[in-house]
Order: sequence, then C-alpha cells, then structure tokens
Amino acid sequence: GEDVEQSLFLSVREGDSSVINCTYTDSSSTYLYWYKQEPGAGLQLLTYIFSNMDMKQDQRLTVLLNKKDKHLSLRIADTQTGDSAIYFCAEDAGNNRKLIWGLGTSLAVNP
Amino acid sequence: ETGVTQTPRHLVMGMTNKKSLKCEQHLGHNAMYWYKQSAKKPLELMFVYNFKEQTENNSVPSRFSPECPNSSHLFLHLHTLQPEDSALYLCASSPARGGVSSTDTQYFGPGTRLTVL
Repeated sequence: GEDVEQSLFLSVREGDSSVINCTYTDSSSTYLYWYKQEPGAGLQLLTYIFSNMDMKQDQRLTVLLNKKDKHLSLRIADTQTGDSAIYFCAEDAGNNRKLIWGLGTSLAVNP
Repeated sequence: ETGVTQTPRHLVMGMTNKKSLKCEQHLGHNAMYWYKQSAKKPLELMFVYNFKEQTENNSVPSRFSPECPNSSHLFLHLHTLQPEDSALYLCASSPARGGVSSTDTQYFGPGTRLTVL
C-alpha cells in the first residue's frame, strides 16, 4: 500500500545544515510536500516539489527529489533554534490525490 | 497566520457531552478537511468537503458529525466521545479538490486540542 517513511529524530548544532529524509512508495505521486509543525501549532506548508523536478531551492531550504529511488530530502542551511519543530513529508497519491503523510521528523537545534 | 482559524483552541469534555469544533478559512478556497493528529500515528484524514459537498468519509465513527454550511466554514459536531478520541483536530483548506495537473496545496489551521475525560 501507500506509505511514507521518515526518521523520527534529528539533532543538529545551530549554524550547521540539517538534512531530513523521506521515502515514499507511490510512484504516481504528482507533488511532494514538506510541512513544519511547531509546538502547539498546526501544520505550516514549507515547500513542495513537482514530480518532474529533481531540485527546488527557496532561500535556506533545498528540496531534492530522486524519483527513481522514491527519496525526498529537505536541507535547511544555517539551521537556527527557530527551526526546531516537527517536519512532515507528504505525497499526493492515487486518482483522488489523497495526501499520504509520514510520522514526522522532530528536529532539535542545539545552541 | 495561514488564513485558517479554528475555535476553540482547547476543549475538555466528558463522554456524555455534546460540543462542536469550528473552522473558518479566509482564503477563498473551495475544499475543506478535518484531520485527527494523535501521538505516534500518521495524520488521519477524517472528512473532505469540496464545494460544500462531502466527498470523503474515511470510516469515521458516527459520534463525529461534520457540517459544511458554505465554502468558508466547517464544523465538527462531537457527541458521546471516548477517551481514545483525545487528539489534536486540524482543519485545512485548499483551492479545490482534484485536478491532476495542478497542486491542491492544503493550508492548515492551528488545531483544537481535545481531551475526553
């Protein structure tokens, strides 16, 4: 069935780059998304990538898509304490474009 | 601010109570969603409304009853809930459901933290 997997935790030092990885199973996905959830808040759309692209850059964020391996990554350059949050990967799947979500990666940024 | 608001932000209710969650979007979208977020589980899609019509109900128990009076407002009526229904309930909206050739990006509200005693 459709599945999205992410590692649950990542810890980095302030100023370093963070790389959050995601694997998915539905090869027919059209769009893949990264959302951020801060404590006590809803999900905030960070960025998305169309499946025919292999890279998208938006300021400190770089998304890499390896469609052959069904692997998506989010790189955050110069990670700040304000980037501490849970990051969710999601793919749209199937004819009804339902979003399939990962469990989220909890990013801790240490001073 | 994402343009999607939810009230109340926190709700504590007993198993015999009846309460409602409210969601409002100011983005001019035509699709609205209810999700349940529980610890250590993927986000669960509960209901989808597209142009005020319910298009998806993902086997949600009847103690949850959605209502969408117009494209800007979405309610979730709760009655006779169980303690395992305690979770964060998220509302989202998107321009329109469907359409393979374009993204239908969802924007989320802050959620209602529900505790059932």
